[in-house]
Formats: sequence, structure tokens, C-alpha cells
Amino acid sequence: KAGVTQTPRYLIKTRGQQVTLSCSPISGHRSVSWYQQTPGQGLQFLFEYFSETQRNKGNFPGRFSGRQFSNSRSEMNVSTLELGDSALYLCASSFDSTSYGYTFGSGTRLTVV
Amino acid sequence: DQQVKQNSPSLSVQEGRISILNCDYTNSMFDYFLWYKKYPAEGPTFLISISSIKDKNEDGRFTVFLNKSAKHLSLHIVPSQPGDSAVYFCAASAYNQGGKLIFGQGTELSVKP
Repeated sequence: KAGVTQTPRYLIKTRGQQVTLSCSPISGHRSVSWYQQTPGQGLQFLFEYFSETQRNKGNFPGRFSGRQFSNSRSEMNVSTLELGDSALYLCASSFDSTSYGYTFGSGTRLTVV
Repeated sequence: DQQVKQNSPSLSVQEGRISILNCDYTNSMFDYFLWYKKYPAEGPTFLISISSIKDKNEDGRFTVFLNKSAKHLSLHIVPSQPGDSAVYFCAASAYNQGGKLIFGQGTELSVKP
């Protein structure tokens, strides 16, 4: 079966712009989580969606938001981009909201200039 | 507040020998622990996990040990192979926090032929 698909793979944006990243989970998976990976902070949890509802949220400013559609696909949006938002953004999906079932996508590499 | 810590940024091991990667945690509410392997420009790949009700879990060459009193877990790889060279992350989750994984900073393992 197809894995978790994230688009685009690479993105370059300018400070102050906004960006939307997309994640298509494995077919049948209803839970989607987002993580940010940076060299200094490692992998940090952004938020989790299950059946279109946000269930958990990490310690990120309100500029970071997300949503999930009825087909379980998810998007995350970052507004008013800052240089520090440059990172690898990873999406993971699971059938339900249990820790052990999560499969990660390859990520979107965002560079803010 | 780093709730999950991997104090060794790197580890170098000879092929065929044992690799031991360590992880410490501070949150007593964590009840599930996972190890992921990650190559550059790819998402983390699940390796092995352990529930807090166990102290050991084995899967082929990989064994995870959990010492709850010390809030410490370790991943043993025996025998180590050059293909095991990657960054290894330990992660933890608390009951009912499902998709919210707290990751350590990672340990880069290099297995030399």
C-alpha cells in the first residue's frame, strides 16, 4: 500500500510570506500528526488531528495551524514566516490515535530566506 | 524542558559488535516508548517499541530494555551491520496522548566495516 505522501518535498519562501504543506495519510488511517525537525531543537510535535478534530497541540505560536479533511488528508499552514521556521516538516499517520501505529512521510524541507 | 534525552550525539561501533544506544526520560506519565531510525532527507522509520508494563522487548537483532525506576531505556543492536548506520531517535508518549510523541535529540550511529 502507498505510504504517507507529503507535498511539496522542497519549498523556498521569503520572510513574511505564508505557506501551506500537504499530507496524504495511508489509506484507512484517520489520525495525522505533524512534527518540525530542526538541527537545534530536534523533532518537535506540532499538532495531531483525528477525524477532522485537533486532539493535541504542541508549544508552537499561533502562526502554525492545521486542519484535516473528511478524507483524512491534512494540511498545515505557517503564516508570517520567520527565518527560524526553516526546517523539515514531517507528517505521520495512524489508523487510530495510538503511539505505536504511526508511519512517517519523507517530509517537506522548508527554507525561509 | 527536555523530557526525553539522548546524551550521546554520536556512537561508532565495529561491524559485528554490539551497539548500545541510551535514552533517559523525566516524565513519569510516559507509558510507551519507541525507537526510530532516520536517514537524511527521509522520515523516521519505526524500529521497535516497549510498553511500560514490560522491561524488555526483542525483534530480531534489536532489543529494547526499559528500567522504569531509573527512567532509562536502551536499544541494543546485535550484531551491528554497516546498513545500521543512521540517526536513532527514542520517543515517548503518555496515556491518552496518542499521536503526541516526545523525541530525544537523536544519536548518530556509525558502524564501520
